[in-house]
Amino acid sequence: KNQVEQSPQSLIILEGKNCTLQCNYTVSPFSNLRWYKQDTGRGPVSLTIMTFSENTKSNGRYTATLDADTKQSSLHITASQLSDSASYICVVRLNAGNNRKLIWGLGTSLGVNP
Amino acid sequence: DAGVIQSPRHEVTEMGQEVTLRCKPISGHDYLFWYRQTMMRGLELLIYFNNNVPIDDSGMPEDRFSAKMPNASFSTLKIQPSEPRDSAVYFCASRPVTGESGELFFGEGSRLTVL
Repeated sequence: KNQVEQSPQSLIILEGKNCTLQCNYTVSPFSNLRWYKQDTGRGPVSLTIMTFSENTKSNGRYTATLDADTKQSSLHITASQLSDSASYICVVRLNAGNNRKLIWGLGTSLGVNP
Repeated sequence: DAGVIQSPRHEVTEMGQEVTLRCKPISGHDYLFWYRQTMMRGLELLIYFNNNVPIDDSGMPEDRFSAKMPNASFSTLKIQPSEPRDSAVYFCASRPVTGESGELFFGEGSRLTVL
């Protein structure tokens, strides 16, 4: 069954600290993996996309990694800021002919405290 | 571009009433998606359109739900009659046909509460 699981479910850190969010998937065949950030009361916004051949990709203080062999991805946030408080959602895209369905994780809720 | 525009942002209604949610996609985007988000189930795809034509409505939970896209700049999601279990945030998203990576552009959502 195609699934995306994220951990932890929620996390609270102090401003300035680093953190890592995990995403494990069983989606096959795999097309790409994307991380979205969703601020409270807003719609999700794409942070980064990872394709099969990419291991690491950075977007400012956000660094995503992908291990296609173990079907794991992580999102590392460096020097966290209060504005990083949000839900981070991992989504994997199928690549099965005409089926390009998106499989969504439930997200990790991150709180950054001063 | 103003992005995907949804209305209303908040809707509180009583069980049995009809609810209509509206969406204006980004101009030039050929695909439009309706999602429902709850704490327990996360984001669930309800239906999506390509060039105003419904392609996959397998996520629509029941016949009480219907969606239309009369033109490229407008879509509605209707629930009739509404039930308390329909309470959720409903998102509209769009993407261009050239967006084969699958990035979706979401609106701000419509928070529905059915009493």
